Amino acid sequence: DQQVKQNSPSLSVQEGRISILNCDYTNSMFDYFLWYKKYPAEGPTFLISISSIKDKNEDGRFTVFLNKSAKHLSLHIVPSQPGDSAVYFCAASYGQNFVFGPGTRLSVLP
Amino acid sequence: KAGVTQTPRYLIKTRGQQVTLSCSPISGHRSVSWYQQTPGQGLQFLFEYFSETQRNKGNFPGRFSGRQFSNSRSEMNVSTLELGDSALYLCASSLGIAGVNEQFFGPGTRLTVL
Repeated sequence: DQQVKQNSPSLSVQEGRISILNCDYTNSMFDYFLWYKKYPAEGPTFLISISSIKDKNEDGRFTVFLNKSAKHLSLHIVPSQPGDSAVYFCAASYGQNFVFGPGTRLSVLP
Repeated sequence: KAGVTQTPRYLIKTRGQQVTLSCSPISGHRSVSWYQQTPGQGLQFLFEYFSETQRNKGNFPGRFSGRQFSNSRSEMNVSTLELGDSALYLCASSLGIAGVNEQFFGPGTRLTVL
């Protein structure tokens, strides 16, 4: 049973537009959420995180929104750039539990 | 500061063999976690070591084991390899425990089991 779901395996967006990557979780105990980005042949790199006491965290072009009642978080990238093309993983944790989602492949078209 | 390094980068083994993968964390990082990545499955958590102790373990069979040394370097061992073990194995290190600390990933070891 997947505790962290990213239901869109892939997403294509035009350069300059907004990219919205979604993540749903099933365990209401999760209290910290992270997004990682992965390029081919490289390990994932940390992007942005959010604690469950917040509903929004912003870092430059990247904003993460958390809706605890819906057990849903999203990553917004504005404006999208071709260099953002990568696989994005959502991760959730509480205590000793740390779970990654399956990832969404984002393609930003020039 | 040097990043997380993993050796070897590529490995080809046959069924039934065993394999040992190595991970050197960023200097000063005490937590090392291991993940298996396969197409469509994302990153599956294997285990986390913190100060030489296994702190957390994912849902993998006992053929998968690991350890951490006093210098925080970690090894992962897979015995009696199966075809389904073919994957990219990623190691990540963090200052504190994974989950609430940013993890820094190595480039991974691509294991192919024939």
